[in-house]
Amino acid sequence: GQNIDQPTEMTATEGAIVQINCTYQTSGFNGLFWYQQHAGEAPTFLSYNVLDGLEEKGRFSSFLSRSKGYSYLLLKELQMKDSASYLCAPRFSGGYNKLIFGAGTRLAVHP
Amino acid sequence: EAQVTQNPRYLITVTGKKLTVTCSQNMNHEYMSWYRQDPGLGLRQIYYSMNVEVTDKGDVPEGYKVSRKEKRNFPLILESPSPNQTSLYFCASKTGVREVWEQFFGPGTRLTVL
Repeated sequence: GQNIDQPTEMTATEGAIVQINCTYQTSGFNGLFWYQQHAGEAPTFLSYNVLDGLEEKGRFSSFLSRSKGYSYLLLKELQMKDSASYLCAPRFSGGYNKLIFGAGTRLAVHP
Repeated sequence: EAQVTQNPRYLITVTGKKLTVTCSQNMNHEYMSWYRQDPGLGLRQIYYSMNVEVTDKGDVPEGYKVSRKEKRNFPLILESPSPNQTSLYFCASKTGVREVWEQFFGPGTRLTVL
């Protein structure tokens, strides 16, 4: 099966920048999602990357390298409300909208 | 308000007692899916449906059934629940329009099987 690797936990300071990495196997890869999930709540969509490069959306940016099987989510000007889990989910061929979710990175933002 | 709803939100039951978790969406989405989320394992897909009367197995379908008789509803059925089905369950929906990828998740159902 697919192996999605992302750090289990990260901590950062309010106002800082943090980068959450994700690696995956490239076979059958079609694109990659990032979701945010606050504790006890539903995941919410952040980004979807298909092409190589950086896509910026406000304070959040997502980067993809298809050949390296690597993505990262960059969060700038961190706020306390950014404390959440961030789920990396590559999409693979072989089934409609077949997502494989990583276990998530739990980010704690401190004052 | 566009949303995915699930009921119940919390359920404690006993082994073998059949239960149904309902899922409904008001966005006229073609695609619906059920996931379970367990600590350290991430979200795993149980079943999905591409439209009415079209369902297919995800990665962990054993012990679950689904039906899609209407476009808005996609219930998850546990015929004989067991303790290893204790988990947090999410329903999700998505439009069938190509190149529109965002899935909308329901609030979750926390199930405990004793």
